[in-house]
Amino acid sequence: AQRVTQPEKLLSVFKGAPVELKCNYSYSGSPELFWYVQYSRQRLQLLLRHISRESIKGFTADLNKGETSFHLKKPFAQEEDSAMYYCGAGGYQKVTFGTGTKLQVIP
Amino acid sequence: DTGVSQDPRHKITKRGQNVTFRCDPISEHNRLYWYRQTLGQGPEFLTYFQNEAQLEKSRLLSDRFSAERPKGSFSTLEIQRTEQGDSAMYLCASSANLYGYTFGSGTRLTVV
Repeated sequence: AQRVTQPEKLLSVFKGAPVELKCNYSYSGSPELFWYVQYSRQRLQLLLRHISRESIKGFTADLNKGETSFHLKKPFAQEEDSAMYYCGAGGYQKVTFGTGTKLQVIP
Repeated sequence: DTGVSQDPRHKITKRGQNVTFRCDPISEHNRLYWYRQTLGQGPEFLTYFQNEAQLEKSRLLSDRFSAERPKGSFSTLEIQRTEQGDSAMYLCASSANLYGYTFGSGTRLTVV
């Protein structure tokens, strides 16, 4: 069965500290990997995707096929990064999401 | 284009009633998805359309749920004989490629 695991429900870090949001996936084949973010009172939006190898708002994510992980990282957290983060894995027909991690950046 | 629109934003219904939600995707997106999200959970896949064809449906979706996308434009999701367990946020998303979804704001359903 396809599954995406985000082990932390809540991650609290101080402003300026490094951030790592963990994501592990179990998926047949080679799924595309995504990170989505939901800021307070806003809709879910795409943050970044593995296929684009991009850095958005200082965030990057490295795919480790051996460990089936796609952790999201940022070297220096900012207060505006506080949000819910969802990892997703899938293809054209559907994306399976994890349960999300709430990132709280403490001023 | 203002993105993906969902209507209504909120719906309160009595148990046993039927409800219908509407989603208007980004006009050039040929793929449309419905997800359901409950408190503390991530979005859970319900169904997927490519143009007007419904190509995948979750096994978790009971026969009380039906979705359509006539003419490959807007989509509707109907829930018949609602149950309290149907209370959730229903999300619609559209996509043109594998580069990710654009989500709507969702319809929050409360079954009382």
